[in-house]
Amino acid sequence: QSALTQPASVSGSPGQSITISCTGTSNDIGDYNYVSWYLQHPGKAPKLIIYDVSARPSGVSNRFSGSKSGNTASLTISGLQAEDEADYYCCSYASGSTLVFGGGTKLTVL
Amino acid sequence: QQQLQESGPGLLKPSETLSLTCTVSGGSMSSYTYYWGWVRQPPGKGLEWIGSIYYSGSTHYNPSLKSRVTMSVDTSKNQFSLRLTSVTAADTAVYYCARDGSGSFRGWFAPWGQGTLVTVSS
Repeated sequence: QSALTQPASVSGSPGQSITISCTGTSNDIGDYNYVSWYLQHPGKAPKLIIYDVSARPSGVSNRFSGSKSGNTASLTISGLQAEDEADYYCCSYASGSTLVFGGGTKLTVL
Repeated sequence: QQQLQESGPGLLKPSETLSLTCTVSGGSMSSYTYYWGWVRQPPGKGLEWIGSIYYSGSTHYNPSLKSRVTMSVDTSKNQFSLRLTSVTAADTAVYYCARDGSGSFRGWFAPWGQGTLVTVSS
């Protein structure tokens, strides 16, 4: 069971949109629509922002959106704000009834 | 709204057994058909799923840790627990407990506990 692959870092200016990719295999992302995304500010617990590929929990800004194509899931953040600067992690259900996280992506708001 | 709080020793020696408990407040665990999970994060590194347990006691574990992990649940105390044997320095991490809010085993964790740092050092 290998970790999902995310870019180590992405950056964008306030107001711009950015996309973070999360690449897995046919044993996880490719075969199941159970991808979730979390943001984590330094020293804090992760916070769920997307579940089931594209659903948003109550209270999460609609600036966050998720999608999936083949073995790759994506998180898009539109209208970047300074408060979006954080680490982002994807997570997928995988065959054998397991879960696997991505390595994490550090978002810098320039 | 349910809240979760981890508790347990913060310092262990190599080869010892890590035991952590997560206490759930704001509602009875037995009233909801949720999975409850443990996730850890080594200092400066990413998240790693350890395992999840259903309110009835059935479990799913990370294959890489399965031989050393045992999870249990005590709904009468509103608690679930993690036991990790034969720890090494590689097990040093912040350990989080969380609820799988899907009602099934789909890996969307909310809410989370605040996390507890466990250090393994001789």
